[in-house]
Amino acid sequence: EVQLVESGGGLVEPGGSLRLSCAASGFTFSSYSISWVRQAPGKGLEWVSSITASSSYIYYADSVKGRFTISRDNAKNSLYLQMNSLRAEDTAVYYCARDTRYGSGSGSDYWGQGTLVTVSS
Amino acid sequence: QSVLTQPPSASGTPGQRVTISCSGSSSNIGSNTVNWYQQLPGTAPKLLIYNHNQRPSGVPDRFSGSKSGTSASLAISGLQSEDEADYYCAAWDDSLNTYVFGTGTKVTVL
Repeated sequence: EVQLVESGGGLVEPGGSLRLSCAASGFTFSSYSISWVRQAPGKGLEWVSSITASSSYIYYADSVKGRFTISRDNAKNSLYLQMNSLRAEDTAVYYCARDTRYGSGSGSDYWGQGTLVTVSS
Repeated sequence: QSVLTQPPSASGTPGQRVTISCSGSSSNIGSNTVNWYQQLPGTAPKLLIYNHNQRPSGVPDRFSGSKSGTSASLAISGLQSEDEADYYCAAWDDSLNTYVFGTGTKVTVL
């Protein structure tokens, strides 16, 4: 069974940092692109970042470029999102999602349950 | 501000056919496949349509996608009460070099 489990969310002050993790199981992690998608309270979905299977290509939304860094460790079946210089508008539930076998931008067929990040003083 | 525009709401009675539109541009819908997601309240999104109208395993064939030029549509036929949810279109944007979601449509079953 494919599973994605996010962790690392919590309350952080503006300007602070947080590192999210996503533990994957039930599939060959090293063969798939993975994405982070967020959803602010009561708002729609916003794509954040994607990383290809071997980390050869990395993409970011303009809203997080230069502040967030996506990475993965295929040996540990894990995905990460380092978030720096956090702002109030980064408050959201963050989901990690596996992209289909067609790669980044092809759609995400499995999603984690999400982890809540709250940026507030 | 999303580059893919959807109507904020749609509704229908059980058994009816409901269609949701998604308007984009040549750099996203016009040149890439369109994905559709369903999000039930309090849950993670679920992929409904990918790769030129393919459905993941378990998604009923009541859901179908289509595209014409820079617009796309999701049709739900035989509407059921459990279809009451938020629906999002999405596509890769070649100009932005990012994946973009639509503004979302809330479907209500009357």
